[in-house]
Amino acid sequence: DVQLVESGGGLVQPGGSLRLSCAASGFAFSGYWIHWVRQVPGKGLEWVSRINLDGSSTTYADSLKGRFTISRDNAKNALYLQMNSLRADDTAVYFCAREGYSDSWYGFDFWGQGALVTVSS
Amino acid sequence: QSALTQPPSVSGSPGQSVTISCTGTRSDVGSYNRVSWYKQPPGTAPKVMIFEVSNRPSGVPDRFSGSKSGNTASLTISGLQAEDEADYYCCSFTTSSTYVFGTGTKVTVL
Repeated sequence: DVQLVESGGGLVQPGGSLRLSCAASGFAFSGYWIHWVRQVPGKGLEWVSRINLDGSSTTYADSLKGRFTISRDNAKNALYLQMNSLRADDTAVYFCAREGYSDSWYGFDFWGQGALVTVSS
Repeated sequence: QSALTQPPSVSGSPGQSVTISCTGTRSDVGSYNRVSWYKQPPGTAPKVMIFEVSNRPSGVPDRFSGSKSGNTASLTISGLQAEDEADYYCCSFTTSSTYVFGTGTKVTVL
């Protein structure tokens, strides 16, 4: 079965850094683009970032202004999100999601359970 | 990139139909067929219900249908059932090669 499992969430002070991980299993990880999506508790979904198959191309939401970096290690079937200069409004549940694609585009077809990041002093 | 606009809530009785609109711009919904819809019950991860405007993944009931006209996409749930109660989000690819989600709609089954 396809599984995506986020880890690394927790409490961090404003201005601090945190690295989230997403462990993938049950599919050929290197064959899929992967995304990060976040959700402030009780609020809507916000797309954060995506990375291509070999990590050579990344895209970010304009609102992040260079504070976040997405990366992947295909040998470890792992996705990462390095978050720097964290602010209170970065407090959210962070999901990793697979972009499904073969003969067609399938949307974000598998999601992790999410990791809560709380930015507070 | 501003969020796509959805109504905050829609409701219907069991068996009725409800339609959720998702209004964007020529920079997102109006330019691409990479429009998808997600269902999110409380405390769970989203689940894709519609991809490429109108296609259903296997396992999604045919009561769910999607369409698009101009800058507005729509999700229709026919024959509403209690299990359909959840938050629903649209999502579109954009001309900036990013994605943008809708503001979300709470579906209530009366």
